[in-house]
Amino acid sequence: NAGVTQTPKFRVLKTGQSMTLLCAQDMNHEYMYWYRQDPGMGLRLIHYSVGEGTTAKGEVPDGYNVSRLKKQNFLLGLESAAPSQTSVYFCASSYSPRADTEAFFGQGTRLTVV
Amino acid sequence: GESVGLHLPTLSVQEGDNSIINCAYSNSASDYFIWYKQESGKGPQFIIDIRSNMDKRQGQRVTVLLNKTVKHLSLQIAATQPGDSAVYFCAENRRVTGGGNKLTFGTGTQLKVEL
Repeated sequence: NAGVTQTPKFRVLKTGQSMTLLCAQDMNHEYMYWYRQDPGMGLRLIHYSVGEGTTAKGEVPDGYNVSRLKKQNFLLGLESAAPSQTSVYFCASSYSPRADTEAFFGQGTRLTVV
Repeated sequence: GESVGLHLPTLSVQEGDNSIINCAYSNSASDYFIWYKQESGKGPQFIIDIRSNMDKRQGQRVTVLLNKTVKHLSLQIAATQPGDSAVYFCAENRRVTGGGNKLTFGTGTQLKVEL
């Protein structure tokens, strides 16, 4: 029962470097989300996808790009990392667009930009 | 703007006591709320949810109460155990334009269970 799996779990980047975070879910969910978690601020939505080939901006999308080429995968890219992007990133998925739907979360990726 | 927030950043309780974690929200149009538990180093895990047409919902050892008049909800944990130690988030789940849901999270309450 893998659920939602994020890769990598930890990463340290230098300012200006790029990287891609991978999220994979094996529950055949249509909807996938990327959040960032910062101390004292809860989780904030970066981007989301309502299906294969679709993406949309959340509340804090600047500095990030996403792609959903396959239904089971949702990639989050940082083209030029900045220290302000130091955070813990969580991917989530849900099977329905209904508001009363539980989202399943991955274990998180801790990213440090120095 | 809309917000979802918790009253206390930290709550300490004795093992065996009941815990009450509070959350306030500002959007009167909110119609669905979820409580998540996040253990150290892990992602949020669903605990219990409640719709706005309900005042109370019970699960195993947990109860969520919703007071729409004052826009307040609470999570009650009965007979708190060491395994309940975690950060608890309330979240409002709303549809977003184009489909999908948006979870708006509070800042979280750290529950510490003392032996």
